[in-house]
Amino acid sequence: NAGVMQNPRHLVRRRGQEARLRCSPMKGHSHVYWYRQLPEEGLKFMVYLQKENIIDESGMPKERFSAEFPKEGPSILRIQQVVRGDSAAYFCASSPPQGRYTFGSGTRLTVV
Amino acid sequence: AQTVTQSQPEMSVQEAETVTLSCTYDTSESDYYLFWYKQPPSRQMILVIRQEAYKQQNATENRFSVNFQKAAKSFSLKISDSQLGDAAMYFCAWTQGAQKLVFGQGTRLTINP
Repeated sequence: NAGVMQNPRHLVRRRGQEARLRCSPMKGHSHVYWYRQLPEEGLKFMVYLQKENIIDESGMPKERFSAEFPKEGPSILRIQQVVRGDSAAYFCASSPPQGRYTFGSGTRLTVV
Repeated sequence: AQTVTQSQPEMSVQEAETVTLSCTYDTSESDYYLFWYKQPPSRQMILVIRQEAYKQQNATENRFSVNFQKAAKSFSLKISDSQLGDAAMYFCAWTQGAQKLVFGQGTRLTINP
């Protein structure tokens, strides 16, 4: 049973480009969460999704950021027109309804 | 809003000794879950221990144990017989279950050989 798969592991984007981060949850997990970690800080919640639904997006910046978890395929976190301040590690976690979370290895986004 | 506070940015301990990492939280909820996660340099988030608030018994996992004081809203992690592989960032986290995790700022643990 593969764990939570995130790709790419590292992503470099120039300012103004789009970044797409992918997360495939563990088999049987219907809940997906995205977190952002700035250097030397803890993880900050961004968004919580179930299949085809956004449940809680209270941590998402109002502009440029969006997330989806389609019926088929991985969850996608999309950042449009990236800026240097978007450079961070982005983690995905998945869980069954009982809330036992499993984290992916993260995607380190660097904006140059 | 729920908050989690780790007041020790850095801790160090001699190999084979015992160390305790502190965590306090603020919530008005009565039913919730608390976690300690370990993040080594590989960046992987590894679950160390999990505690359900309704359970009075403190959770233990081998050399790791917690001191859960619900009234004081305190959730400290004790690592016994520290090993070099325990060196990492440790994060305390809170959730109501199937909801977002709220993390503390982390404690960097160094193990001295």
